[in-house]
Amino acid sequence: KQEVTQIPAALSVPEGENLVLNCSFTDSAIYNLQWFRQDPGKGLTSLLLIQSSQREQTSGRLNASLDKSSGRSTLYIAASQPGDSATYLCAVAKYSGGGADGLTFGKGTHLIIQP
Amino acid sequence: DAGITQSPRHKVTETGTPVTLRCHQTENHRYMYWYRQDPGHGLRLIHYSYGVKDTDKGEVSDGYSVSRSKTEDFLLTLESATSSQTSVYFCAISESGELPKLFFGSGTQLSVL
Repeated sequence: KQEVTQIPAALSVPEGENLVLNCSFTDSAIYNLQWFRQDPGKGLTSLLLIQSSQREQTSGRLNASLDKSSGRSTLYIAASQPGDSATYLCAVAKYSGGGADGLTFGKGTHLIIQP
Repeated sequence: DAGITQSPRHKVTETGTPVTLRCHQTENHRYMYWYRQDPGHGLRLIHYSYGVKDTDKGEVSDGYSVSRSKTEDFLLTLESATSSQTSVYFCAISESGELPKLFFGSGTQLSVL
């Protein structure tokens, strides 16, 4: 059974710092990996999706990398801002052509950016 | 939230009563999902649908049933609510099953007393 672990569970940094959130998974036979953002009392918003054949994806100040062989992904946030404060979750889709019925979520990293 | 409406947003009910949560989408996406989110467990899939009247079980389907009579609506029913079903329930949609970029609704906070 796929297990997804996110470290750290919580992180608090001053505004302006670059930071890295980590996601590890136990089964490397994945279809893709997604990073989501969740604000308090809200649903999840998809930030980046990396296909298993890709190494990284970028969107603005966000960069996500994928090392399938080692079972790791990182989300890099450049020049952090207070508005980046949220919980960040990664989710892994298993390789079976089964789509999102095979998504396994991590428990998230709760990020606080101090003004 | 990508044209996804969940209702109600909050509900308090008593143990043993039936409860139905509704998810309505305006995106005409084929796939719809129900997740629950609990502290310490993350998001877990309850049921999903890959078309009208086509549904399947997820990881934590016991005690739940679903129905999808129209593309835009996906209902989640707790036949006899229990305290262990107190949770935040999220509906999600995706355009296809092969490239499952998910879009989520805002969630329903359900409390079973």
